[in-house]
Amino acid sequence: DQQVKQNSPSLSVQEGRISILNCDYTNSMFDYFLWYKKYPAEGPTFLISISSIKDKNEDGRFTVFLNKSAKHLSLHIVPSQPGDSAVYFCAASGDYGGSQGNLIFGKGTKLSVKP
Amino acid sequence: EPEVTQTPSHQVTQMGQEVILRCVPISNHLYFYWYRQILGQKVEFLVSFYNNEISEKSEIFDDQFSVERPDGSNFTLKIRSTKLEDSAMYFCASSRTATVEDTQYFGPGTRLTVL
Repeated sequence: DQQVKQNSPSLSVQEGRISILNCDYTNSMFDYFLWYKKYPAEGPTFLISISSIKDKNEDGRFTVFLNKSAKHLSLHIVPSQPGDSAVYFCAASGDYGGSQGNLIFGKGTKLSVKP
Repeated sequence: EPEVTQTPSHQVTQMGQEVILRCVPISNHLYFYWYRQILGQKVEFLVSFYNNEISEKSEIFDDQFSVERPDGSNFTLKIRSTKLEDSAMYFCASSRTATVEDTQYFGPGTRLTVL
């Protein structure tokens, strides 16, 4: 039961170019979406989030876009840097019958930024 | 910067043995969570905890699992009789509130290996 799907297990990008990571969800009750970044041997680190009442949220080099009608969100990293190389998890939350705050994660996309 | 800590970083145990995984959440946080990630799989919610009670648990969190806040700082996950399929990374997380907008901060994880 994959309520949050990240269909690309890996992505390779050249330094300085744009990285676009995609995420799809199936549960229309989700109303808050997050991206976490994970380095090896570390826990997930919060990166950026977006509420379902918005379609875009920007924080420095990171922008998240939400298309509710398509149940799709994407994370754009511009420009990409080698230090961005990590696994990126999309996560969703909302009052979907569980309590708020419990995150439903995708399987992650491993981003490699080559110098 | 405050962070969630977890001990041990790696735990090896024999099938059928009890294990206790320990976490120290961020000091002013009130909500605590356990997640796990089986190798190659997504991060999965196990349980949330507030005010010395379980707020919510997933179907993974069966009678073999229990959580406790034995003192003012530690938050523990106990697995009574470990199975091979319990082998995973276990992440503790904490947040100030349970609202979706309040970031969950994750610890570095404990790798549990059941032989």
